[in-house]
Amino acid sequence: SQQGEEDPQALSIQEGENATMNCSYKTSINNLQWYRQNSGRGLVHLILIRSNEREKHSGRLRVTLDTSKKSSSLLITASRAADTASYFCATDAKNTGFQKLVFGTGTRLLVSP
Amino acid sequence: DTEVTQTPKHLVMGMTNKKSLKCEQHMGHRAMYWYKQKAKKPPELMFVYSYEKLSINESVPSRFSPECPNSSLLNLHLHALQPEDSALYLCASSQDPRTASYNEQFFGPGTRLTVL
Repeated sequence: SQQGEEDPQALSIQEGENATMNCSYKTSINNLQWYRQNSGRGLVHLILIRSNEREKHSGRLRVTLDTSKKSSSLLITASRAADTASYFCATDAKNTGFQKLVFGTGTRLLVSP
Repeated sequence: DTEVTQTPKHLVMGMTNKKSLKCEQHMGHRAMYWYKQKAKKPPELMFVYSYEKLSINESVPSRFSPECPNSSLLNLHLHALQPEDSALYLCASSQDPRTASYNEQFFGPGTRLTVL
């Protein structure tokens, strides 16, 4: 399967703490994206990092990409209760075209007040 | 309008029923997608439509039949489903696949399907 792996599967922190989640994938990619999903709802795009980029920031989000290790990390700083959600990385493999996104297994984040 | 809408929100059907899921977007996107998501699992791609033509079918059983009547609408026709088909069905869209350099997808809220 092309599916990426994410760890941890679940993460529980207090408000104000930082949350880090990791994604590993299997094939060469064009881009890697992170999505967020609130319980039982649709996914929301958070940030995209291209294969030739190593780090990207957006507000309280910081994403890194290491193509040599086929891995990425998402850091959420100063977390809030509203950040409670599942987070998925998604990759588009170079050999299948970028229309086909493959999602990682996801990290369930719980931020307690 | 940056929204993808899906109807119905919830659907309960028997194994002999025929029903349809509907998805709509008015962002001018020319790629539309159906995903299936089981509880605590990632979304799994089912179908991709590009310019109203089916471009990817991920070996989905024929009891699921997609249709793209125009650039704004995407349907998923359901017939003779099995209980294991119960899941959240997500629709998504993305910008022009012929010119876009990346595939940011916009998701609808999903239809929660229960097959009895």
